[in-house]
Amino acid sequence: AQKVTQAQTEISVVEKEDVTLDCVYETRDTTYYLFWYKQPPSGELVFLIRRNSFDEQNEISGRYSWNFQKSTSSFNFTITASQVVDSAVYFCALIPNFGNEKLTFGTGTRLTIIP
Amino acid sequence: DAMVIQNPRYQVTQFGKPVTLSCSQTLNHNVMYWYQQKSSQAPKLLFHYYDKDFNNEADTPDNFQSRRPNTSFCFLDIRSPGLGDAAMYLCATSRVNRGIYRSNQPQHFGDGTRLSIL
Repeated sequence: AQKVTQAQTEISVVEKEDVTLDCVYETRDTTYYLFWYKQPPSGELVFLIRRNSFDEQNEISGRYSWNFQKSTSSFNFTITASQVVDSAVYFCALIPNFGNEKLTFGTGTRLTIIP
Repeated sequence: DAMVIQNPRYQVTQFGKPVTLSCSQTLNHNVMYWYQQKSSQAPKLLFHYYDKDFNNEADTPDNFQSRRPNTSFCFLDIRSPGLGDAAMYLCATSRVNRGIYRSNQPQHFGDGTRLSIL
């Protein structure tokens, strides 16, 4: 069984500040994928990134960056120079490479960017 | 653009009156999922189709059924909606290869259908 923990239920920061969303996971699988999704107030889930457990390189995409550390089972997400449009609920999720094709979601972190 | 389309965006039904939510995709993905999401909670998987193979979650009530007549379409039927079934229903698709070189591609979500029960 898998478990994804997002300990931060809600975060508020002032616009242009940097913010990091934490994600810690548990799995017995040796290979797996990790994901981040964004859910704005309109409700749709928007895919942000997929990370294979083999690949521990950090990734940067514009103002977004992800820090994957297998040793601590963490896959943290940082937004640099936050903007009001970043306000959303962010979900971290995991899927094993073998066994099934079901995502295990964390409980989500509600991020509010204050203008 | 290839996408996952859910209709309608908002659905209101009466207590006990059957309702059907629809999902279509142009991504040609072999797996389609239905999730239920209640306020301030993570999406909860109800069931999914791997091709025509139906996979029900153990805790999905019998009140919820699904059909996948072809690759592109998938329906969620709620036979007798109760007040507790009011939620956002999300459809998702992905391409999954269950073979030796298994690959779980990201799930792509539709905009969801928000269901209200009167």
